[in-house]
Amino acid sequence: DVKVTQSSRYLVKRTGEKVFLECVQDMDHENMFWYRQDPGLGLRLIYFSYDVKMKEKGDIPEGYSVSREKKERFSLILESASTNQTSMYLCASSLYVLQETQYFGPGTRLLVL
Amino acid sequence: DAKTTQPPSMDCAEGRAANLPCNHSTISGNEYVYWYRQIHSQGPQYIIHGLKNNETNEMASLIITEDRKSSTLILPHATLRDTAVYYCIVRVGRRYGGSQGNLIFGKGTKLSVKP
Repeated sequence: DVKVTQSSRYLVKRTGEKVFLECVQDMDHENMFWYRQDPGLGLRLIYFSYDVKMKEKGDIPEGYSVSREKKERFSLILESASTNQTSMYLCASSLYVLQETQYFGPGTRLLVL
Repeated sequence: DAKTTQPPSMDCAEGRAANLPCNHSTISGNEYVYWYRQIHSQGPQYIIHGLKNNETNEMASLIITEDRKSSTLILPHATLRDTAVYYCIVRVGRRYGGSQGNLIFGKGTKLSVKP
């Protein structure tokens, strides 16, 4: 079974803090994604990566950056957390051929005070 | 991408088959039908996908009509743990990265499995 793990299930941070969210997948997938999910807005893509050290902006990249130094690990960084970044953050990875077959992690619920 | 229509909610008795419909009347020839579900407070879970033939895996079966304008996800013996929101998505299967990788989940069907 594909396993996607995220470093924390719940996180509480203060405004202005730098926040790191880690994601690891164990299936040698090429593609990895970071989404946020908010009530009424569904899933929105923040960034994705299709190879080590490669990254592409998604629909809402502002206020975020990412790092992919190793194939299995994709990190999301909130440079200076703000209250409007309170959300559920979901990491996913996918097979090279059909990237719509995405496997999601359990999510990190982030609260920024 | 083709738009999908699903009923907002459904109930199913535990142990019975749950049949979740999805309409996608504007689907084009190279678009796949994907099903995901999301159990409360967890990440979405991929269930199954298909192009035109019926598909079955350990979780579910996918029945696609001959004209491909609708499909049904079947959970053969629903359990309480199958209570979730189920999403039907129609997309071209893409090989490369890009913002096309974004999965757009609609409102889905909230399935409640009752004892």
